[in-house]
Amino acid sequence: EAQVTQNPRYLITVTGKKLTVTCSQNMNHEYMSWYRQDPGLGLRQIYYSMNVEVTDKGDVPEGYKVSRKEKRNFPLILESPSPNQTSLYFCASSGESLPYEQYFGPGTRLTVT
Amino acid sequence: EDQVTQSPEALRLQEGESSSLNCSYTVSGLRGLFWYRQDPGKGPEFLFTLYSAGEEKEKERLKATLTKKESFLHITAPKPEDSATYLCAVRGGSYIPTFGRGTSLIVHP
Repeated sequence: EAQVTQNPRYLITVTGKKLTVTCSQNMNHEYMSWYRQDPGLGLRQIYYSMNVEVTDKGDVPEGYKVSRKEKRNFPLILESPSPNQTSLYFCASSGESLPYEQYFGPGTRLTVT
Repeated sequence: EDQVTQSPEALRLQEGESSSLNCSYTVSGLRGLFWYRQDPGKGPEFLFTLYSAGEEKEKERLKATLTKKESFLHITAPKPEDSATYLCAVRGGSYIPTFGRGTSLIVHP
């Protein structure tokens, strides 16, 4: 089954404690992205990757890091989380040819206290 | 800068009451306009991609249309299970897609 998986699904942590949210896709997609979704603000892209070792900033990259060492994995790293990073996070992947639609993971709900 | 505006923000319908959701957009070099469905607490689920003005796509009770400035998602005879947030997004020259804030649809039995 084609899918994007994320772990963990729920996470409560404290300010400043480094964390990593993993993302993996089994569709051999070139493109992968991270989004955060907040009430009233919609989906905002944090970082994206066009292929292995190729990443770039999205609209809201501050406070986040990513890496793409393998085509299937695209972890999101918060080195020093702060309360304003409390949000619902989604990983997505898509191919480089039409129809370009994105496949989204199930989401990670992060709370930083 | 690409922009997407969805209206209305929220829509309440009775079962069987057809209606339309609007997505107005500005984009440089449209590579695709996308509609997604999102259930509470879940990831968006792809519905349609439209590429050029005049194009239409259908899936069950949903029909998406596209002009040069806007897209409509028509819902015919909706059922309670159609209740969800519907997201519109555009992709232009860059890889960064721009999403609208969505329309929250509630269909009452």
